[in-house]
Amino acid sequence: QQQVKQSPQSLIVQKGGISIINCAYENTAFDYFPWYQQFPGKGPALLIAIRPDVSEKKEGRFTISFNKSAKQFSLHIMDSQPGDSATYFCAATGTASKLTFGTGTRLQVTL
Amino acid sequence: DTAVSQTPKYLVTQMGNDKSIKCEQNLGHDTMYWYKQDSKKFLKIMFSYNNKELIINETVPNRFSPKSPDKAHLNLHINSLELGDSAVYFCASSQDLRQGKGSNLFFGSGTQLSVL
Repeated sequence: QQQVKQSPQSLIVQKGGISIINCAYENTAFDYFPWYQQFPGKGPALLIAIRPDVSEKKEGRFTISFNKSAKQFSLHIMDSQPGDSATYFCAATGTASKLTFGTGTRLQVTL
Repeated sequence: DTAVSQTPKYLVTQMGNDKSIKCEQNLGHDTMYWYKQDSKKFLKIMFSYNNKELIINETVPNRFSPKSPDKAHLNLHINSLELGDSAVYFCASSQDLRQGKGSNLFFGSGTQLSVL
């Protein structure tokens, strides 16, 4: 019930392409879905987050799409850049519960 | 100023030793955490403290003992280190316990622990 499944495990995208990372959850009590970005040697940092009352949230080149009925959400990185190369974690939580992280996606953006 | 700082950055030690990792946050947050990240990058929560009170204690060997002298500090002491303890340990903080209500996590840069 607490799991968040994330795919793919790794992703290679050419510069300028679209990177898509998918996550699925089981717990219908989850009501907050953040994405964290982690560069090598650093801790994860909040990238963007969404609540289930909206189906999409965009911040610059980063967009979260949310499908409440399917219990799925995804991160789209438009015009991917080499500087976007990092590990991305989706996460989910509900009121008074701890954050549950996905298993992470290593993104490599090639020139 | 680093928001969440932890020391040391690297820790190499022999099996059976005891070691500590220190963490401090200057964000004025009430809640602090320890996470373990294994070689596959999986993030697992170990402990959380809110205003010096232990809130979350996941299934962690009792060789791991957190201590929070005040709400800005959360240290992790590990006794009798084992090979399987090798990982990156992250300290994090959030404004309060409401992780689902905009109280996002701020992570330190991690401590890479290698047990030989």
